[in-house]
Amino acid sequence: GIQVEQSPPDLILQEGANSTLRCNFSDSVNNLQWFHQNPWGQLINLFYIPSGTKQNGRLSATTVATERYSLLYISSSQTTDSGVYFCAGRSVNNTNAGKSTFGDGTTLTVKP
Amino acid sequence: NAGVTQTPKFRILKIGQSMTLQCTQDMNHNYMYWYRQDPGMGLKLIYYSVGAGITDKGEVPNGYNVSRSTTEDFPLRLELAAPSQTSVYFCASSIRPRLRAGRADTQYFGPGTRLTVL
Repeated sequence: GIQVEQSPPDLILQEGANSTLRCNFSDSVNNLQWFHQNPWGQLINLFYIPSGTKQNGRLSATTVATERYSLLYISSSQTTDSGVYFCAGRSVNNTNAGKSTFGDGTTLTVKP
Repeated sequence: NAGVTQTPKFRILKIGQSMTLQCTQDMNHNYMYWYRQDPGMGLKLIYYSVGAGITDKGEVPNGYNVSRSTTEDFPLRLELAAPSQTSVYFCASSIRPRLRAGRADTQYFGPGTRLTVL
């Protein structure tokens, strides 16, 4: 299967700061998604972004499919942004539609 | 809509015991998934289903079984619990539009079941 590498593994920010999280894939992927897991364990889908750029409030994401990476931008961070951010994708060579692979996540801590 | 619901929230099993983790979704999604999340790690796919009566293995299926008799329900069965199965289990669902292959199948997750095997 594909390898998914997320960086940095841990990030500590002061409230109001901006950050960029990165996700690298070992193969071309489709079905690329970003998720946020809050400190209580709940997983929320942030973006479905196989290519291009999307924005939702203070969050935006960009995927460069040809170079096999995706970036998640968080602007003016708030303490409620704390948690773990995961990316997941499926290899374009994988015919099993359900098999997405997750990275190990970036743990973000935003301090007041 | 309740979305994706999972029961129980917590469970402690002894080695060798069996149990079923329940998952139900009310969004009429045809895809459903089971993941496990070990401490400090990402999610690993155990099994998934593309519709009632159809299931397939994910990355880590050993020690688990699933069934999908209805669109709504996707239970996960542990037959002989082992300490290595101590984890948090997440169920998820998504919809796959038939007309346009490769479109978004945004996954919606349940709240998880924390399982400890002693």
